[in-house]
Amino acid sequence: TQLLEQSPQFLSIQEGENLTVYCNSSSVFSSLQWYRQEPGEGPVLLVTVVTGGEVKKLKRLTFQFGDARKDSSLHITAAQPGDTGLYLCAGARVYNQGGKLIFGQGTELSVKP
Amino acid sequence: EPEVTQTPSHQVTQMGQEVILRCVPISNHLYFYWYRQILGQKVEFLVSFYNNEISEKSEIFDDQFSVERPDGSNFTLKIRSTKLEDSAMYFCASSEERKAKNIQYFGAGTRLSVL
Repeated sequence: TQLLEQSPQFLSIQEGENLTVYCNSSSVFSSLQWYRQEPGEGPVLLVTVVTGGEVKKLKRLTFQFGDARKDSSLHITAAQPGDTGLYLCAGARVYNQGGKLIFGQGTELSVKP
Repeated sequence: EPEVTQTPSHQVTQMGQEVILRCVPISNHLYFYWYRQILGQKVEFLVSFYNNEISEKSEIFDDQFSVERPDGSNFTLKIRSTKLEDSAMYFCASSEERKAKNIQYFGAGTRLSVL
């Protein structure tokens, strides 16, 4: 069974602080996608990382794919209340003909003003 | 911007009844998926569909579940005889290709409540 362990599950910080969310697996993924999900809505794609060691930036968000393509991280600099939400990582394996995504448990982020 | 649309947004049904959840994937996408998310739990894969047939299905996707692409735009998930434990958010997703990136775009979901 392929698992994607996401940590922490809950994070409550003050505005202006930095934070990092981790996604780890013993399996190799062909890509890893980060989504943000608001209550009662579907996951919205933030970024996809494909190459081992790849780093992508989206404003104050920095995403990194591990060299071995087994793990990924999301770093937010100077968090703002608007960053509050559920962040999900999801891995895909190109050798899997079905193309399913395997999701982590999610990180519930709360940024207090 | 193209998006995946799902209807209804909320479906309430009695246990044992059949429900059909509908999805309109992004128009040029070829690969379609259903996922579900039970309240407080992670998003779980149900089934993937390509070229009018199932590519892969999970253990959750038993004989009570079926998928269909009845026309060129809709993609449906049918649950024949709903159980209480089928209550969840059901998400449809689609992707243009299934190469290394496999970028999937999700709909807003249908909340299924089985009473």
